[in-house]
Amino acid sequence: EVQLLESGGGLVQPGGSLRLSCAASGFTFSSYVMSWVRQAPGKGLEWVSGISGSGGSTYYAGSVKGRFTISRDNSKNTLYLQMNSLRVEDTAVYYCAKDPQEGAVTPKAGDYWGQGTLVTVSS
Amino acid sequence: DIVMAQSPDSLAVSLGEGATINCKSSRSLLYSSNNKNYLAWYQQKPGQPPKLLIYWASAREFGVPDRFSGSGSGTDFALTISSLQAEDVAVYYCQQYYSTPLTFGGGTKVEIK
Repeated sequence: EVQLLESGGGLVQPGGSLRLSCAASGFTFSSYVMSWVRQAPGKGLEWVSGISGSGGSTYYAGSVKGRFTISRDNSKNTLYLQMNSLRVEDTAVYYCAKDPQEGAVTPKAGDYWGQGTLVTVSS
Repeated sequence: DIVMAQSPDSLAVSLGEGATINCKSSRSLLYSSNNKNYLAWYQQKPGQPPKLLIYWASAREFGVPDRFSGSGSGTDFALTISSLQAEDVAVYYCQQYYSTPLTFGGGTKVEIK
């Protein structure tokens, strides 16, 4: 059974940093693109970042490029999102999502999602 | 970035009646080399993560009831629920994966009339 478990969320001041983790199980982690998608309170979905199975290719939304860094450790079946220079508008539930297509290089969609971790940026 | 526009923002449908949600992209999502439309549909219920319903514009995910169907090509797409059930109350999103950044529509809230 595929499981994705996010952690690392919390309250941080504007300008601060946070690192999110997503522990994966139930599938061959290194064979799949993984993404982070966020949802501000009461708002819609926003794709944040994606990474190829090998970790060699990364992709970002314009709103986070230069501030956030996605990475993965395939030996630990874990996805990460390092978030620096956080802004109030980064407040959201952050989900990790698994791509449906084994062996794909670019992000496509999410067929499995975690329950999310809440990041609150506030002074 | 490809902009995804969904309509309506919300709709109320009687149990057993049909519902159609529209999604329009700012550029074609049809990839000529494989003749596939790079569009997905999701369902999100309160307090839950999104659930993938439809992939490649019209391919239902395993386990999704056949009352859900996706249609369209190029820039215009639709998600149809043929006979609304109580458990279908949710917000529905379209999403393009033709190019990064991946982008979502604003969502359509479906309620029972």
